Amino acid sequence: KQEVTQIPAALSVPEGENLVLNCSFTDSAIYNLQWFRQDPGKGLTSLLLIQSSQREQTSGRLNASLDKSSGRSTLYIAASQPGDSATYLCAVFRASARQLTFGSGTQLTVLP
Amino acid sequence: NAGVTQTPKFQVLKTGQSMTLQCAQDMNHNSMYWYRQDPGMGLRLIYYSASEGTTDKGEVPNGYNVSRLNKREFSLRLESAAPSQTSVYFCASSDPSRSNQPQHFGDGTRLSIL
Repeated sequence: KQEVTQIPAALSVPEGENLVLNCSFTDSAIYNLQWFRQDPGKGLTSLLLIQSSQREQTSGRLNASLDKSSGRSTLYIAASQPGDSATYLCAVFRASARQLTFGSGTQLTVLP
Repeated sequence: NAGVTQTPKFQVLKTGQSMTLQCAQDMNHNSMYWYRQDPGMGLRLIYYSASEGTTDKGEVPNGYNVSRLNKREFSLRLESAAPSQTSVYFCASSDPSRSNQPQHFGDGTRLSIL
Protein backbone atom coordinates (compact mmCIF):
# COMPACT_ATOMS: atom_id res chain seq x y z
CA LYS A 1 0.00 0.00 0.00
CA GLN A 2 1.31 3.42 -0.94
CA GLU A 3 1.88 5.79 1.97
CA VAL A 4 2.73 9.47 1.60
CA THR A 5 4.23 11.52 4.42
CA GLN A 6 4.74 15.28 4.57
CA ILE A 7 7.08 16.96 6.99
CA PRO A 8 6.69 19.37 8.68
CA ALA A 9 2.95 19.44 9.41
CA ALA A 10 3.13 23.19 9.95
CA LEU A 11 5.69 25.86 9.17
CA SER A 12 5.85 29.57 9.93
CA VAL A 13 8.42 31.81 8.25
CA PRO A 14 9.02 35.54 7.85
CA GLU A 15 8.33 37.12 4.49
CA GLY A 16 11.19 36.87 1.99
CA GLU A 17 12.60 33.58 3.21
CA ASN A 18 13.27 30.66 0.90
CA LEU A 19 11.74 27.43 2.17
CA VAL A 20 11.51 23.73 1.42
CA LEU A 21 8.55 21.42 1.97
CA ASN A 22 9.20 17.69 2.06
CA CYS A 23 7.22 14.71 0.79
CA SER A 24 8.15 11.04 0.99
CA PHE A 25 6.41 7.97 -0.43
CA THR A 26 6.87 4.26 0.12
CA ASP A 27 6.23 2.76 -3.34
CA SER A 28 8.51 4.07 -6.10
CA ALA A 29 6.33 2.65 -8.90
CA ILE A 30 4.59 5.95 -9.54
CA TYR A 31 3.15 7.49 -12.70
CA ASN A 32 3.55 11.05 -11.53
CA LEU A 33 3.75 13.21 -8.41
CA GLN A 34 1.60 16.27 -7.94
CA TRP A 35 1.83 19.26 -5.61
CA PHE A 36 -1.36 21.11 -4.75
CA ARG A 37 -2.23 24.24 -2.83
CA GLN A 38 -5.35 24.47 -0.68
CA ASP A 39 -6.64 27.73 0.77
CA PRO A 40 -8.98 27.60 3.78
CA GLY A 41 -12.48 26.50 2.81
CA LYS A 42 -11.47 25.99 -0.80
CA GLY A 43 -10.66 23.17 -3.18
CA LEU A 44 -7.25 22.06 -4.40
CA THR A 45 -5.29 23.97 -7.00
CA SER A 46 -2.61 22.12 -8.95
CA LEU A 47 0.83 23.75 -8.65
CA LEU A 48 3.27 21.38 -10.27
CA LEU A 49 3.22 17.87 -11.71
CA ILE A 50 6.37 15.81 -12.17
CA GLN A 51 6.15 12.79 -14.43
CA SER A 52 7.97 9.65 -13.32
CA SER A 53 10.67 10.16 -15.96
CA GLN A 54 11.40 13.73 -14.84
CA ARG A 55 13.61 15.07 -12.06
CA GLU A 56 12.09 18.50 -11.53
CA GLN A 57 9.54 21.08 -12.63
CA THR A 58 9.52 24.84 -12.20
CA SER A 59 6.78 27.44 -12.21
CA GLY A 60 7.66 30.99 -11.24
CA ARG A 61 9.00 30.98 -7.68
CA LEU A 62 8.18 27.28 -7.23
CA ASN A 63 10.47 24.36 -7.97
CA ALA A 64 9.59 20.74 -7.32
CA SER A 65 12.05 17.87 -7.46
CA LEU A 66 11.54 14.13 -7.60
CA ASP A 67 13.89 11.32 -6.58
CA LYS A 68 12.02 8.08 -7.22
CA SER A 69 14.80 5.83 -6.00
CA SER A 70 14.72 7.35 -2.52
CA GLY A 71 10.96 7.98 -2.55
CA ARG A 72 11.26 11.73 -2.00
CA SER A 73 10.07 15.01 -3.43
CA THR A 74 10.66 18.58 -2.33
CA LEU A 75 8.79 21.78 -3.08
CA TYR A 76 11.04 24.84 -2.97
CA ILE A 77 9.42 28.25 -2.62
CA ALA A 78 11.69 31.22 -3.26
CA ALA A 79 11.25 34.65 -1.68
CA SER A 80 8.09 33.70 0.21
CA GLN A 81 5.16 36.14 0.41
CA PRO A 82 2.15 36.37 2.77
CA GLY A 83 -0.02 35.32 -0.18
CA ASP A 84 1.80 31.97 -0.18
CA SER A 85 0.13 31.12 3.13
CA ALA A 86 -1.92 27.97 2.54
CA THR A 87 -1.78 24.21 2.99
CA TYR A 88 0.44 22.40 0.50
CA LEU A 89 -0.42 18.82 -0.38
CA CYS A 90 1.72 16.23 -2.09
CA ALA A 91 0.11 13.31 -3.95
CA VAL A 92 1.44 10.38 -5.96
CA PHE A 93 -0.42 8.67 -8.80
CA ARG A 94 0.06 4.97 -9.39
CA ALA A 95 -1.07 3.79 -12.81
CA SER A 96 -1.60 0.25 -11.49
CA ALA A 97 -4.07 1.46 -8.88
CA ARG A 98 -5.44 4.34 -11.01
CA GLN A 99 -5.57 6.63 -8.03
CA LEU A 100 -3.85 9.46 -6.20
CA THR A 101 -2.59 8.93 -2.67
CA PHE A 102 -2.27 12.13 -0.66
CA GLY A 103 -0.09 13.21 2.19
CA SER A 104 -1.70 15.05 5.08
CA GLY A 105 -0.22 18.38 4.02
CA THR A 106 2.03 21.14 5.34
CA GLN A 107 0.28 24.26 6.62
CA LEU A 108 2.46 27.23 5.67
CA THR A 109 2.17 30.67 7.25
CA VAL A 110 4.27 33.51 5.85
CA LEU A 111 4.42 36.40 8.28
CA PRO A 112 4.57 39.98 6.94
CA ASN B 1 -14.20 27.79 -17.59
CA ALA B 2 -16.37 25.90 -15.09
CA GLY B 3 -14.01 22.92 -14.67
CA VAL B 4 -15.44 20.67 -11.93
CA THR B 5 -18.72 21.77 -10.35
CA GLN B 6 -20.06 20.30 -7.11
CA THR B 7 -23.49 20.76 -5.56
CA PRO B 8 -24.48 21.49 -2.89
CA LYS B 9 -21.68 23.48 -1.23
CA PHE B 10 -23.01 22.92 2.29
CA GLN B 11 -25.45 20.42 3.79
CA VAL B 12 -26.61 19.42 7.26
CA LEU B 13 -28.29 16.06 7.70
CA LYS B 14 -29.70 14.07 10.56
CA THR B 15 -28.43 10.57 11.26
CA GLY B 16 -30.21 8.09 9.01
CA GLN B 17 -31.14 10.55 6.28
CA SER B 18 -30.01 10.01 2.72
CA MET B 19 -28.65 12.40 0.15
CA THR B 20 -26.79 12.57 -3.14
CA LEU B 21 -23.80 14.79 -3.86
CA GLN B 22 -23.59 15.88 -7.47
CA CYS B 23 -20.48 16.45 -9.57
CA ALA B 24 -20.07 17.50 -13.19
CA GLN B 25 -17.01 18.27 -15.30
CA ASP B 26 -16.77 19.98 -18.66
CA MET B 27 -13.21 18.99 -19.63
CA ASN B 28 -14.13 15.76 -21.43
CA HIS B 29 -12.15 13.74 -18.91
CA ASN B 30 -12.58 9.99 -18.81
CA SER B 31 -11.81 9.53 -15.11
CA MET B 32 -13.64 10.96 -12.13
CA TYR B 33 -13.06 10.59 -8.39
CA TRP B 34 -14.70 11.19 -5.03
CA TYR B 35 -12.55 11.98 -1.98
CA ARG B 36 -13.24 12.90 1.60
CA GLN B 37 -11.02 15.19 3.64
CA ASP B 38 -10.91 15.00 7.40
CA PRO B 39 -8.76 17.18 9.69
CA GLY B 40 -5.14 16.05 9.78
CA MET B 41 -5.72 13.11 7.42
CA GLY B 42 -5.33 14.53 3.93
CA LEU B 43 -7.68 13.32 1.20
CA ARG B 44 -8.81 9.71 1.01
CA LEU B 45 -10.34 8.14 -2.07
CA ILE B 46 -13.90 6.87 -1.68
CA TYR B 47 -14.73 5.70 -5.21
CA TYR B 48 -13.50 6.38 -8.69
CA SER B 49 -14.67 5.86 -12.24
CA ALA B 50 -11.96 5.17 -14.80
CA SER B 51 -14.39 5.64 -17.67
CA GLU B 52 -18.08 5.97 -18.40
CA GLY B 53 -19.91 2.90 -17.18
CA THR B 54 -17.28 1.71 -14.72
CA THR B 55 -16.80 2.36 -11.01
CA ASP B 56 -14.33 0.99 -8.47
CA LYS B 57 -13.87 1.18 -4.73
CA GLY B 58 -11.16 3.32 -3.24
CA GLU B 59 -9.69 3.34 0.25
CA VAL B 60 -12.87 4.17 2.23
CA PRO B 61 -15.99 3.04 0.29
CA ASN B 62 -18.16 1.75 3.16
CA GLY B 63 -21.45 3.63 3.55
CA TYR B 64 -21.33 5.16 0.06
CA ASN B 65 -22.57 4.37 -3.43
CA VAL B 66 -21.73 6.06 -6.71
CA SER B 67 -23.21 6.43 -10.17
CA ARG B 68 -21.39 7.46 -13.32
CA LEU B 69 -24.42 8.86 -15.06
CA ASN B 70 -22.56 9.81 -18.25
CA LYS B 71 -19.12 11.07 -19.15
CA ARG B 72 -19.73 14.43 -17.47
CA GLU B 73 -21.45 13.44 -14.23
CA PHE B 74 -20.44 11.34 -11.23
CA SER B 75 -22.66 11.30 -8.15
CA LEU B 76 -22.02 10.10 -4.58
CA ARG B 77 -24.87 8.81 -2.46
CA LEU B 78 -25.13 8.35 1.29
CA GLU B 79 -28.00 5.92 1.88
CA SER B 80 -28.14 6.25 5.67
CA ALA B 81 -25.95 9.06 6.93
CA ALA B 82 -23.85 8.55 10.06
CA PRO B 83 -21.96 11.14 12.17
CA SER B 84 -18.67 9.52 11.04
CA GLN B 85 -19.46 10.72 7.53
CA THR B 86 -19.19 14.36 8.60
CA SER B 87 -16.44 15.61 6.31
CA VAL B 88 -15.59 17.73 3.30
CA TYR B 89 -16.18 15.87 0.05
CA PHE B 90 -14.24 16.65 -3.11
CA CYS B 91 -14.89 15.53 -6.65
CA ALA B 92 -12.06 15.47 -9.18
CA SER B 93 -11.52 14.55 -12.80
CA SER B 94 -8.53 13.75 -14.98
CA ASP B 95 -7.35 12.21 -18.22
CA PRO B 96 -4.93 9.58 -16.86
CA SER B 97 -3.75 8.60 -20.34
CA ARG B 98 -1.80 11.85 -20.29
CA SER B 99 0.84 11.59 -17.55
CA ASN B 100 1.56 15.32 -17.64
CA GLN B 101 -2.00 16.36 -16.75
CA PRO B 102 -3.06 16.86 -13.11
CA GLN B 103 -6.35 16.07 -11.48
CA HIS B 104 -8.79 18.98 -11.36
CA PHE B 105 -10.84 19.47 -8.20
CA GLY B 106 -14.16 21.03 -7.38
CA ASP B 107 -14.60 23.42 -4.46
CA GLY B 108 -16.01 20.74 -2.19
CA THR B 109 -19.21 19.94 -0.30
CA ARG B 110 -19.12 20.52 3.44
CA LEU B 111 -21.37 17.90 5.02
CA SER B 112 -22.38 17.72 8.68
CA ILE B 113 -24.29 14.77 10.11
CA LEU B 114 -26.03 15.44 13.41
